[in-house]
Amino acid sequence: SQELEQSPQSLIVQEGKNLTINCTSSKTLYGLYWYKQKYGEGLIFLMMLQKGGEEKSHEKITAKLDEKKQQSSLHITASQPSHAGIYLCGADIGYNNDMRFGAGTRLTVKP
Amino acid sequence: GAVVSQHPSRVICKSGTSVKIECRSLDFQATTMFWYRQFPKQSLMLMATSNEGSKATYEQGVEKDKFLINHASLTLSTLTVTSAHPEDSSFYICSARPWNTEAFFGQGTRLTVV
Repeated sequence: SQELEQSPQSLIVQEGKNLTINCTSSKTLYGLYWYKQKYGEGLIFLMMLQKGGEEKSHEKITAKLDEKKQQSSLHITASQPSHAGIYLCGADIGYNNDMRFGAGTRLTVKP
Repeated sequence: GAVVSQHPSRVICKSGTSVKIECRSLDFQATTMFWYRQFPKQSLMLMATSNEGSKATYEQGVEKDKFLINHASLTLSTLTVTSAHPEDSSFYICSARPWNTEAFFGQGTRLTVV
């Protein structure tokens, strides 16, 4: 079965610092999705990546999918307290519309 | 973006009673709906996956007789926690997914069993 490994599990950074979260799969990723969650709330969709080498940005968040389509990274530039939360990567599993998630990365941004 | 409405957002029930949680896709048809459980400071734990008109597929360790899932239409799925006990207290989240696109999440339901 395909597993998604996220690293680090948790991250504490000072406001203004850059950071990167990684998501690695043992198999080729045909659809990779990044979400953010504030605890006690639902998940907010951030970005979807499908093509090898693809890169997307929204405000200060950039997500990339490597050429082999087995690893994705989420990079936040000049972090702010509003970026704090749990970041999860999700991926398509098989051809039956199933989606699975990594264990998540808990981000804390200290003012 | 697409909206998924999950109701209720909070519920308190007595031990031994059943609780139903609804998940509706408001402006799209959901090929697949997912139910998750989340413990404090932990990630999402997938409970079951359901496609409209089919029986739900439960993850290993999730009791299907305890957590009844109904997906009667392309816009509605329900999770019923039967004979709830304090250990069932948790945060439950649903998501709805059209075919081969991103999934959209409800805002979650905090269940407290007293």
